[in-house]
Amino acid sequence: SQTIHQWPATLVQPVGSPLSLECTVEGTSNPNLYWYRQAAGRGLQLLFYSVGIGQISSEVPQNLSASRPQDRQFILSSKKLLLSDSGFYLCAWSRKGSYYEQYFGPGTRLTVT
Amino acid sequence: GDSVTQMEGPVTLSEEAFLTINCTYTATGYPSLFWYVQYPGEGLQLLLKATKADDKGSNKGFEATYRKETTSFHLEKGSVQVSDSAVYFCALSGHGSSNTGKLIFGQGTTLQVKP
Repeated sequence: SQTIHQWPATLVQPVGSPLSLECTVEGTSNPNLYWYRQAAGRGLQLLFYSVGIGQISSEVPQNLSASRPQDRQFILSSKKLLLSDSGFYLCAWSRKGSYYEQYFGPGTRLTVT
Repeated sequence: GDSVTQMEGPVTLSEEAFLTINCTYTATGYPSLFWYVQYPGEGLQLLLKATKADDKGSNKGFEATYRKETTSFHLEKGSVQVSDSAVYFCALSGHGSSNTGKLIFGQGTTLQVKP
């Protein structure tokens, strides 16, 4: 069976500090990978997606970047955090092909102070 | 472009009440439709799905029928429990998603069930 991990689970960082969130998927190969952000009481905002190693597409211009150094590893980064980067960050994966569902990780709660 | 519209919440019900959360969509072609549930502090879980018109998805007492004529995918449950309190998201995988797998999500509907 497939599992998806995210870490850390919670993070408190000062404004201007760097960020690195990691997501890994087990039990599948060559998945599509996604990063979402969910602000408090709000819906989901797709930040980045990747269809393969080194292939990153950005949905929203912002202070964040993403990388996919390995097939089942997806990293979300920032060089300098802003207060507006606070939120709940979710990683998800899906199989290749048409109309497949996405499976989500447990999320990382980021608070920028 | 493709879009999903959900009824605004919060929805507050008493235990054992009947639940309906409305979801309508706009899409080119024949999308797949999904309902996800998010419990407090957790990620989203796939609740049910339907991949073609007139399909009925069901899971844990929840049901939704893919109605192409009304472009709807309403979520229903006959008798809700306190443990069903969560945020529910309707989503579609549309015509432009075949290579990327991207989903279009509704804004989410918060359900609160009181004992």
